[in-house]
Amino acid sequence: QQQVKQSPQSLIVQKGGISIINCAYENTAFDYFPWYQQFPGKGPALLIAIRPDVSEKKEGRFTISFNKSAKQFSLHIMDSQPGDSATYFCAASKDRDYKLSFGAGTTVTVRA
Amino acid sequence: DSGVTQTPKHLITATGQRVTLRCSPRSGDLSVYWYQQSLDQGLQFLIQYYNGEERAKGNILERFSAQQFPDLHSELNLSSLELGDSALYFCASSAAQGLSYGYTFGSGTRLTVV
Repeated sequence: QQQVKQSPQSLIVQKGGISIINCAYENTAFDYFPWYQQFPGKGPALLIAIRPDVSEKKEGRFTISFNKSAKQFSLHIMDSQPGDSATYFCAASKDRDYKLSFGAGTTVTVRA
Repeated sequence: DSGVTQTPKHLITATGQRVTLRCSPRSGDLSVYWYQQSLDQGLQFLIQYYNGEERAKGNILERFSAQQFPDLHSELNLSSLELGDSALYFCASSAAQGLSYGYTFGSGTRLTVV
């Protein structure tokens, strides 16, 4: 079963707008939450990651918000650009574990 | 270029056949992970090797097997192929065990079973 639930399945945003993708997890043993970006024909590439001891992490226009009590985390893409059009996956893992459990992915389309 | 090399990029084969997918990790990386990406199942972890030894198994079918060689490249063998095995197969590598050491994906092998 899907250990990480991701929504929405797809979204369309205008250039300069904010894209928001949400994920929820059940396993409280998860302690590492990365986001991956995937372009067509390419493998997923690490975008940004967070650990549960912080509630927010920002790298450039990308911000992860983390709510440990709700077991939810989200990705915000500020000032969205056409080059951000891609599929985004949230994931979770126990750091001492060796595998990532991925969400189903969100296809983001940024209209110019 | 991520530094993780997967060959071939595309593979078309018939049901019942056997194929081998190859992965060369980034220079210096000791861990290799295999994932399957399909439309209905998303990205699913298959198996991990660390310095030649199997370390973790996920949702890998018995018809599938893998190994990591002394030069650290890895091969994923898929046999008695079925239509449902059509998917993108990704290899990832990391410097050591544990995700905080970085985890880099290759561009994948697209397998089509006809």
